[in-house]
Amino acid sequence: SQKIEQNSEALNIQEGKTATLTCNYTNYSPAYLQWYRQDPGRGPVFLLLIRENEKEKRKERLKVTFDTTLKQSLFHITASQPADSATYLCALDHNAGNMLTFGGGTRLMVKP
Amino acid sequence: KAGVTQTPRYLIKTRGQQVTLSCSPISGHRSVSWYQQTPGQGLQFLFEYFSETQRNKGNFPGRFSGRQFSNSRSEMNVSTLELGDSALYLCASSKDGYTNTEAFFGQGTRLTVV
Repeated sequence: SQKIEQNSEALNIQEGKTATLTCNYTNYSPAYLQWYRQDPGRGPVFLLLIRENEKEKRKERLKVTFDTTLKQSLFHITASQPADSATYLCALDHNAGNMLTFGGGTRLMVKP
Repeated sequence: KAGVTQTPRYLIKTRGQQVTLSCSPISGHRSVSWYQQTPGQGLQFLFEYFSETQRNKGNFPGRFSGRQFSNSRSEMNVSTLELGDSALYLCASSKDGYTNTEAFFGQGTRLTVV
């Protein structure tokens, strides 16, 4: 079955540094991969979508890469701020409607 | 424009009871998906409705069901509640339900089964 894994341990970094989160998947070749941010007690908020033929995508301080050979996506936040502290989720898009398979999420803590 | 609205926000039920949760998608969105989120299993897909039809279904028992109305509002029902059904239930809407579109999530309904 499809499996999508994110580092379950929290990532602690200093303000101003670049945070890098990893998403690995197996037994699937998604055409798209999405990243979401979730704050405690709230629903996930969409951040970025990357297609299999896109190696990299950027939005302001965010950057996502997609390596279909390694079956891995990396999510980067440059010049991180305490307000970036949240749980970040990657999700496989099944190319079959509004149905996503989510990883377990990585909690990011940015310290001032 | 208004976001995805889920009601109620919090709910406490007793084992064996049934519960109905409601989701109003963003105006103009025709696809509604439901997810269950627990600390142990994370976010898991329950089902998706598009134009009043169930289009996709996750790996949950038949006690979990849903429906969508002509105005795209959706409800999900859980019958014969078990303690393990305690979770945050999230609804997500998207414009046309095709791939390559972002999902907009509501704030969720926190269900506690005692």
